[in-house]
Amino acid sequence: NAGVTQTPKFRVLKTGQSMTLLCAQDMNHEYMYWYRQDPGMGLRLIHYSVGEGTTAKGEVPDGYNVSRLKKQNFLLGLESAAPSQTSVYFCASSRDYISDTQYFGPGTRLTVL
Amino acid sequence: AQSVAQPEDQVNVAEGNPLTVKCTYSVSGNPYLFWYVQYPNRGLQFLLKYITGDNLVKGSYGFEAEFNKSQTSFHLKKPSALVSDSALYFCAVRGLNAGNMLTFGGGTRLMVKP
Repeated sequence: NAGVTQTPKFRVLKTGQSMTLLCAQDMNHEYMYWYRQDPGMGLRLIHYSVGEGTTAKGEVPDGYNVSRLKKQNFLLGLESAAPSQTSVYFCASSRDYISDTQYFGPGTRLTVL
Repeated sequence: AQSVAQPEDQVNVAEGNPLTVKCTYSVSGNPYLFWYVQYPNRGLQFLLKYITGDNLVKGSYGFEAEFNKSQTSFHLKKPSALVSDSALYFCAVRGLNAGNMLTFGGGTRLMVKP
């Protein structure tokens, strides 16, 4: 099993450009999550999904959109990138949400100039 | 609102000595507590979790953590540190009223010197 994979690993954008980050998991997990990691702030939840076709806002959703058209994939979109969105983005998945372990992907390092 | 505090940005220990990485939390109701480790340029890896039961939880790589309800703490410990334990450690909490939100602390960098 590959676990959780993320594409791309690195990306540089100019302000105002758009892009989509792809997360895929092969563990048949129902729950998927997108986080951003900034120095000294830990991980903050952007959006999450409790199943195919569902999405919900997390702690810092502004400026991002998500879609979960297939159970194994969770896409994070930036419609108009801003320098404040420079960060490392992590996707995670879990079998359930209360007590289960979240499994993380390797991350995408995004720089917005 | 739930929160996690990791009061030390960095912890330095000598190889072979015991280590402690501190974590305190605030949450409504009974907490679900987690420790994750992050090696350079990698995603987070699960170490251990407390759901219910025994207050001392044993996890991967010889790590353990003690849940203390009265002090609202969940400190990570290891009896004998290894240089390879050097990494960034995150404590996280979820309360029953938090929906699917897992709140992370800011992280503590552990440096183990030979």
